[in-house]
Amino acid sequence: EVQLVESGGGLIQPGGSLRLSCAASGFTVSSNYMSWVRQAPGKGLEWVSVIYSGGSTYYADSVKGRFTISRDNSKNTLYLQMNSLRAEDTAVYYCARASPWGLPQDYWGQGTLVTVSS
Amino acid sequence: QSVLTQPPSASGTPGQRVTISCSGSSSNIGSNYVYWYQQLPGTAPKLLIYRNNQRPSGVPDRFSGSKSGTSASLAISGLRSEDEADYYCAAWDDSLRGVFGGGTKLTVL
Repeated sequence: EVQLVESGGGLIQPGGSLRLSCAASGFTVSSNYMSWVRQAPGKGLEWVSVIYSGGSTYYADSVKGRFTISRDNSKNTLYLQMNSLRAEDTAVYYCARASPWGLPQDYWGQGTLVTVSS
Repeated sequence: QSVLTQPPSASGTPGQRVTISCSGSSSNIGSNYVYWYQQLPGTAPKLLIYRNNQRPSGVPDRFSGSKSGTSASLAISGLRSEDEADYYCAAWDDSLRGVFGGGTKLTVL
């Protein structure tokens, strides 16, 4: 059975750092395209980042230079390193398997909440 | 302000057909595939339509997608109470990023 389980969310002060994890089972992360999408409280979905199987990465302008998407093939896990966090980064972060066109598709995690506040 | 434009709300009665529009530009919808997602309250989004008009297995054929130029539409026929949810369109943009619509809240009256 395919499953994606996010972890690492929590309360963090502005300017701080956090690393989100997305542990996959039932398929191989490194052989697939993987993405992060976020949703601020009461707001719509926002595309954050994608990593292709070949290693290419792309980011939303709002997080470029602050967030880094990566994966650990030995752990079959996707990561999102978030630095210089701002209040506007407060959201539920979802990982999802992505299509070759960089968009999330069939498998999604349950989401992990990141709250940036002093 | 979302890159793709959707109406904030839509509604219909059971059995009715409703459509949700999604407007973009030549750099996203005009040159790339459109995806649609359904999000029920308190749950993760679910893929509804991919590559403009393709349905994943398990998605009822009551849901259909179409694209013309820089706009796309999601149609739901035979509306049911369980279709009440938020719907989002998305596309890849040629500036090398994904873009979403602001979402449409569908109410089944």
